[in-house]
Order: sequence, then C-alpha cells, then structure tokens
Amino acid sequence: QKEVEQDPGPLSVPEGAIVSLNCTYSNSAFQYFMWYRQYSRKGPELLMYTYSSGNKEDGRFTAQVDKSSKYISLFIRDSQPSDSATYLCAMSALDSNYQLIWGAGTKLIIKP
Amino acid sequence: SAVISQKPSRDICQRGTSLTIQCQVDSQVTMMFWYRQQPGQSLTLIATANQGSEATYESGFVIDKFPISRPNLTFSTLTVSNMSPEDSSIYLCSVGGTGFSYEQYFGPGTRLTVT
Repeated sequence: QKEVEQDPGPLSVPEGAIVSLNCTYSNSAFQYFMWYRQYSRKGPELLMYTYSSGNKEDGRFTAQVDKSSKYISLFIRDSQPSDSATYLCAMSALDSNYQLIWGAGTKLIIKP
Repeated sequence: SAVISQKPSRDICQRGTSLTIQCQVDSQVTMMFWYRQQPGQSLTLIATANQGSEATYESGFVIDKFPISRPNLTFSTLTVSNMSPEDSSIYLCSVGGTGFSYEQYFGPGTRLTVT
C-alpha cells in the first residue's frame, strides 16, 4: 500500500462546476499538507499549504484536512478551462528532513 | 517564494554521454532537492542537496550515476552520467526548508531525451 493514494483520473467536468480532488494517506505522523498544480511541460506550482487539520481558503480554492480520517481535499469553485492541469497532493512529517511524500497526481480537464 | 531557473530547458543526448543540469535560485536557501518525473507520473526524489555536505541519495539512486554539487546557497548541479534511454525524463530541482517551512518551490524542469 502506498503512503499516499490519489486517483490519477482523468477527471472531466464542465466549466463552472465545483471540483473536488482528494488524497488519502496512511502515516498518522503527517502534519504538513500541500496541493500543487502542474501544467503540461511546466514545473509544479504550489497552490495551498496547510498545517494539521482544518480548512484554508484562497480565492476559488479551498483545502481541507481531516487528520482523523487521514483524508485531504482540494475544492475548486467556478472552475475555468485554465484550471485544466494535473493536481498533486504532497505531505510531510516533522523530522522528515523536509522531504515530501507525493500522490500520483489527478489530471483535471475543464470542458468549456 | 524563491524564483528558480534551470538550464538547459531541454536536451537530446546520445547514450553513453553525460549531461549536467544547473539549478539557480534568486535567494539563499537551505535545502535543494532533485526529482525525476516520468511522463504522466508523479515525482520521484533522487537526492537532497545541502550546502557544505554530501548529497543524500534515495533508494535506487547512486552518486556514480547522479553526482550532485552544491557549492553555495543559491546553486546546484545534477549530472546524469553514462546515459541510457531509460534516463529519458523530466528532471526538476526544488528548494525548501526555508524558515523551517515544509513547502517546496520548483524550477521549470529539464526535459531530457536519450537516443
């Protein structure tokens, strides 16, 4: 079993829809959670960074962490064709030498 | 966040040769990481490079194949040695650990094709 599970998709939704992207993990020591967006032929771009449980909102993006369920989510409201990309979750534990454990990435397609 | 550049952005190389990839950051950073990303796949950590110490390699990656230099706090190189077609991939550098924060910031990547 992988430490971080993420459905690779692709996930195709119409423009304007609410998108939900998810990761589950097995290591209860994870405390730092990140979501990255990667466009084709580009490096990953940090979207959201959260510590421990709770919600964090930034514009159309909301990140949720539920440590009791070992489950994190990224919600995208009013999705746009420009949101079409691969979304990767990553997480880390204290004393991990700042190394990140990555999900497989979900390819998201927003249809105009 | 730091601005990171990589050179070259892409290259096509013959098997048996070596390629050195450069990573330059616009500010001093504690930790630099080198990743490999196969097409359509997630990121695989090759090694962690701290200034003033030997790079720490992950399982499956060895220094003879992927020598790394970290001469100062803004620069690092990764060499892919004695290349084979299996080394065709995207190579990414990232920076992290600044201010004891766990997020990493990435360069644009180097797309390597070995023929």
